[in-house]
Amino acid sequence: AQSVTQPDIHITVSEGASLELRCNYSYGATPYLFWYVQSPGQGLQLLLKYFSGDTLVQGIKGFEAEFKRSQSSFNLRKPSVHWSDAAEYFCAVVPPWGNEKLTFGTGTRLTIIP
Amino acid sequence: GAGVSQSPSNKVTEKGKDVELRCDPISGHTALYWYRQSLGQGLEFLIYFQGNSAPDKSGLPSDRFSAERTGGSVSTLTIQRTQQEDSAVYLCASSLSGRAFYNEQFFGPGTRLTVL
Repeated sequence: AQSVTQPDIHITVSEGASLELRCNYSYGATPYLFWYVQSPGQGLQLLLKYFSGDTLVQGIKGFEAEFKRSQSSFNLRKPSVHWSDAAEYFCAVVPPWGNEKLTFGTGTRLTIIP
Repeated sequence: GAGVSQSPSNKVTEKGKDVELRCDPISGHTALYWYRQSLGQGLEFLIYFQGNSAPDKSGLPSDRFSAERTGGSVSTLTIQRTQQEDSAVYLCASSLSGRAFYNEQFFGPGTRLTVL
């Protein structure tokens, strides 16, 4: 079945440490890939997206993501997290045949400890 | 400029009552989406409007759910005879046009619906 998976429900990292959030997809061809962040009490905000081309994508707030076709993955990374990065992160896809709706993963809640 | 706004921010209702949730998209955005965020189901698509085209209702969970978009702008999501499983945060998003792979969807803060 076509799906997008975020294997980690909750991750805790120390402030200043590096971060990697995992996202895997299962489609016959590469979908369009997105990462969104939802801070407490706020709406979803787009961090970055991948359509084609360079497999390392830079986004806002110092985030980047790497597309790996061989692993069907689109992992989100940040070299050094800040307390303000505490939020829920969602990987999302639009299927390669261009369906209009976003299909979201189940989300990863990020907690930052001092 | 103003972002997507939704009202009310919170709604508590009794089982069996009807509710209406409102979304004001960003001015000039022709595409409008409704999503639902619940503990059991995560974030799921409900309905999509694009200009004057017939809406994509493929995500509506039952015929108790309906939505309309008046004048290509404001949208109202109506839930009839609410059930406890309808309790969720209802999110609205808009974008310049469809083509979700190309045009960023901007999300509102959501309406938290609680059905007692």
